[in-house]
Amino acid sequence: AQTVTQSQPEMSVQEAETVTLSCTYDTSESNYYLFWYKQPPSRQMILVIRQEAYKQQNATENRFSVNFQKAAKSFSLKISDSQLGDTAMYFCAFMKIMYSGGGADGLTFGKGTHLIIQP
Amino acid sequence: AAGVIQSPRHLIKEKRETATLKCYPIPRHDTVYWYQQGPGQDPQFLISFYEKMQSDKGSIPDRFSAQQFSDYHSELNMSSLELGDSALYFCASSLEGETDTQYFGPGTRLTVL
Repeated sequence: AQTVTQSQPEMSVQEAETVTLSCTYDTSESNYYLFWYKQPPSRQMILVIRQEAYKQQNATENRFSVNFQKAAKSFSLKISDSQLGDTAMYFCAFMKIMYSGGGADGLTFGKGTHLIIQP
Repeated sequence: AAGVIQSPRHLIKEKRETATLKCYPIPRHDTVYWYQQGPGQDPQFLISFYEKMQSDKGSIPDRFSAQQFSDYHSELNMSSLELGDSALYFCASSLEGETDTQYFGPGTRLTVL
């Protein structure tokens, strides 16, 4: 079984600043995906960014980027030029790759980091 | 773009009653997942289906069952409801061959009184 740990329950930064959310995981799998999901007050789960473990290049989506360290089992999210709309709960998630029979494994989530962007 | 549809959005039930939650995946998506998120908790994976067959099973109670139909929509049936079943229930869908990305619906908020 895999575990995902987010050690920062809450973070607060000023608008336009850069913030980094940390995530570590533990698994015996060699091939998997990692994700960051955002959950604003509406409670909708929104995909922010994904990373394939077999890719060494860190994923980037506009103001969001990750620092993926496979050997250290670390997957941090950096948000640049933070905006008020970035205020949300951020969940790090793990998914192993299933090769036989199709379909996919469920996501294992961390406990989340509540990010507050101050005006 | 079309998203995952869940119904109902809100549901109130009494203890020991039954509830049925429905999920309509994004068109062409063939894999459906169910998650339960309690207050202040992270989502917990319950069960998934691919091409109408159970694909993976998580922490789903024996009182719950689910299935995926020929049109790929899915239903989560919950019986003998308990106070602790009060939660937000998410459905997510993905497309085989692109199964790394699960797209979530808006959730069904179940309250058990």
